[in-house]
Amino acid sequence: ILNVEQSPQSLHVQEGDSTSFTCSFPSSNFYALHWYRWETAKSPEALFVMTLNGDEKKKGRISATLNTKEGYSYLYIKGSQPEDSATYLCALRGRRGRALTFGSGTRLQVQP
Amino acid sequence: DVKVTQSSRYLVKRTGEKVFLECVQDMDHENMFWYRQDPGLGLRLIYFSYDVKMKEKGDIPEGYSVSREKKERFSLILESASTNQTSMYLCASSLGTVNTGELFFGEGSRLTVL
Repeated sequence: ILNVEQSPQSLHVQEGDSTSFTCSFPSSNFYALHWYRWETAKSPEALFVMTLNGDEKKKGRISATLNTKEGYSYLYIKGSQPEDSATYLCALRGRRGRALTFGSGTRLQVQP
Repeated sequence: DVKVTQSSRYLVKRTGEKVFLECVQDMDHENMFWYRQDPGLGLRLIYFSYDVKMKEKGDIPEGYSVSREKKERFSLILESASTNQTSMYLCASSLGTVNTGELFFGEGSRLTVL
């Protein structure tokens, strides 16, 4: 079983704050790293799929970086808004198999 | 719009009952997955399938079986439900290995076993 760890477990920020979360994974068994956003009462939705060391991806106010050599990825949210409140999941696809192994998620709450 | 549909959003069953959770996708995806989500544990893989009639065990297959008779449908079966199977169950699908493998999820089925 691959070990994917996310920190922090939960986060409360004020509207307008910028914030970041960490996902760490075994660098020796990397194929791709996914980030998903899961809002309450909805389905998880993909934010980014990253495969290359040094990759940086951006979608609006949300961006992510990837370091496959040291086994971590950061997700950044600039100027948090209440609608950013959700659980953010990272998931690793290892070199073998087609399934993803998920971390336990970071639950973000943005206070207006 | 891509869609993964799970048959029941909420179910309440009794210990020992046989439970079927159905999942249908309309994207012609090869891969389909069943995960369960429990507080503090994230999503854990139960079973997945990469082709019709093919299946592979995930990290926590005990107490579960699956069926994939058609490409678009992947069923999760609890042969004899137990209280420790009370959970949120998520179905997902994705394209084959040469692509990014981004998962598309259903809305989840919350199962309570009494």
